[in-house]
Amino acid sequence: RKEVEQDPGPFNVPEGATVAFNCTYSNSASQSFFWYRQDCRKEPKLLMSVYSSGNEDGRFTAQLNRASQYISLLIRDSKLSDSATYLCVVTKNAGNMLTFGGGTRLMVKP
Amino acid sequence: EPEVTQTPSHQVTQMGQEVILRCVPISNHLYFYWYRQILGQKVEFLVSFYNNEISEKSEIFDDQFSVERPDGSNFTLKIRSTKLEDSAMYFCASSEASLSETQYFGPGTRLLVL
Repeated sequence: RKEVEQDPGPFNVPEGATVAFNCTYSNSASQSFFWYRQDCRKEPKLLMSVYSSGNEDGRFTAQLNRASQYISLLIRDSKLSDSATYLCVVTKNAGNMLTFGGGTRLMVKP
Repeated sequence: EPEVTQTPSHQVTQMGQEVILRCVPISNHLYFYWYRQILGQKVEFLVSFYNNEISEKSEIFDDQFSVERPDGSNFTLKIRSTKLEDSAMYFCASSEASLSETQYFGPGTRLLVL
């Protein structure tokens, strides 16, 4: 089983749509969780951290379910500029190396 | 806004040659990392570095790889004898503190081994 698993997509959605991505992780001792965004041939950039209580940043909402080892990202009112690959990232309990999922590609169309 | 910088942006080398990839982490950061991303694949951890020594490394980071902080600002990744499969984007990252602190990534060096 992959350490961090994501549906690769692509998710093709119209502007203004709401889209949700899911991610599962295998290490139950993982301590910190993040969503990063990666544009084509660019570096990963932190989108948001994910907390057990759930957290929201503008149009973006992240949820963590530790019991199911499941992380989600919801994007409301999609913009063309949201087109990117969204990376689910966890840290192992042994240290602070980041473990990346393969990413979910989002394409927002006009 | 402070950022991580990397040089060169692109490097082409012959198999068996040594390459050194350079990074300047954010100035007040204490933890430094190297990751790589083979084209079309996920980002993979290589090594973390703190207090002038390696704190963690992955299986990828074998004897052909080494890291160094030669002065107060640079952080380097050396590949002694490059292989075709070393072709990838190499990202440097830094963080202010350990565990759960945000890691900031540089723009990467695209390495092509011929």
